[in-house]
Amino acid sequence: QVQLQESGPGLVKPSQTLSLTCTVSGASISSGNYYWSWIRQPPGKGLEWIGDIYYSGSTYYKTSLISRLKISVDTSRNQFSLKLNSVTAADTAVYYCARMVYYYDGNIPLPDAFDIWGQGTKVTVSS
Amino acid sequence: SYDLTQPPSLSVSPGQTASITCSGNILHDKFVCWYQQKAGQSPVLVIYHDSKRPSGIPERFSGSNSGNTATLTISVTQAMDEADYYCQVWDSSTALFGGGTKLTVL
Repeated sequence: QVQLQESGPGLVKPSQTLSLTCTVSGASISSGNYYWSWIRQPPGKGLEWIGDIYYSGSTYYKTSLISRLKISVDTSRNQFSLKLNSVTAADTAVYYCARMVYYYDGNIPLPDAFDIWGQGTKVTVSS
Repeated sequence: SYDLTQPPSLSVSPGQTASITCSGNILHDKFVCWYQQKAGQSPVLVIYHDSKRPSGIPERFSGSNSGNTATLTISVTQAMDEADYYCQVWDSSTALFGGGTKLTVL
């Protein structure tokens, strides 16, 4: 049974860096059949995709976050991580990590669904 | 604002059919996924590829996508189906979510 677990500080000061790690159990992050994603949900609001990473290190980021965002992977620890710098109150949210399945259209891999989610971790940006 | 538009809320009685729509110009030629999020819990995938159900999702959940509107249908709605529902598509390697629909079963 594949499980994802987020970890990291629950409180971050404005202008500092938000750092979270997602630990994957029950499957190898290097299996090559999935991307690994971060998604957040501000209080009382909807879901917002942040970005994805493949085990090789290939990434896709939300355009509006590119300048502040870095997602990395550590295959030896079966983990992937998110760093978001220069945070403001607008970055306050529950942050989820998720597994993203992709499918093939002919020979072209295309992103599909987020089929497994972590439990989420609440991050508050406040002084 | 969201590129995918969902009604903010929908109320149904137990046993009735709930139909949640997701509309947007970008839906054309794209596969739609639907997620269920119960209060205080993580989202759960209930429909992918417009109409496919993951293992373990009850048959009363079904989906369709035509033109610029996708629909999640819950037949014989149960109290346990009360949740927020989100549609999602991919556009240029970017995942887009709808604003969500709060389904109340009363």
